[in-house]
Amino acid sequence: SQTIHQWPATLVQPVGSPLSLECTVEGTSNPNLYWYRQAAGRGLQLLFYSVGIGQISSEVPQNLSASRPQDRQFILSSKKLLLSDSGFYLCAWLSPGGSYTFGSGTRLTVV
Amino acid sequence: AQSVAQPEDQVNVAEGNPLTVKCTYSVSGNPYLFWYVQYPNRGLQFLLKYITGDNLVKGSYGFEAEFNKSQTSFHLKKPSALVSDSALYFCAVRDMGSGGYNKLIFGAGTRLAVHP
Repeated sequence: SQTIHQWPATLVQPVGSPLSLECTVEGTSNPNLYWYRQAAGRGLQLLFYSVGIGQISSEVPQNLSASRPQDRQFILSSKKLLLSDSGFYLCAWLSPGGSYTFGSGTRLTVV
Repeated sequence: AQSVAQPEDQVNVAEGNPLTVKCTYSVSGNPYLFWYVQYPNRGLQFLLKYITGDNLVKGSYGFEAEFNKSQTSFHLKKPSALVSDSALYFCAVRDMGSGGYNKLIFGAGTRLAVHP
């Protein structure tokens, strides 16, 4: 069966520090992968999506970047975190049946 | 561009009563619509989707949604609410972006509070 893993679950980082959040999927190949951010416990904003290795599309300009070094691995990064980067980050993949499955999320607090 | 609107920030319902969480959409072409639920500090869980076919879609945990093309709505419903249904609910529409890539566009979310 297909599963999606996301870690860490919680992260507290100082302003100006780097960031690396990882998402991996199992049980599928060449998935479409997504990074969303949820601010203040409400709406979700699409940050990046990827349709294959090395293929990244950015939805909004920001302090973050994404990479897809392997077929089933999607990484969200920053060189220097800002306070405004705090939020709940969710990774997702698009299943062949047309549904999106989400990871359990990472709560990032920048202090 | 595709979009969805959830006009209510919060819905309050007594346990055992029917519940409705509203969603309207704006799309070009045929809509692919979804409902997700989020419990505190958790990821989103899929409830149901409409792609084509019967306008009444049945999903997880006793939820259903009615697709209404003339009113461009996709309201989430449940005949009898449970306290455990209290959560944040998101309506979403699939958007075929430039290049034909699928992406999911979410509404702002509606917080459902079911009172004993």
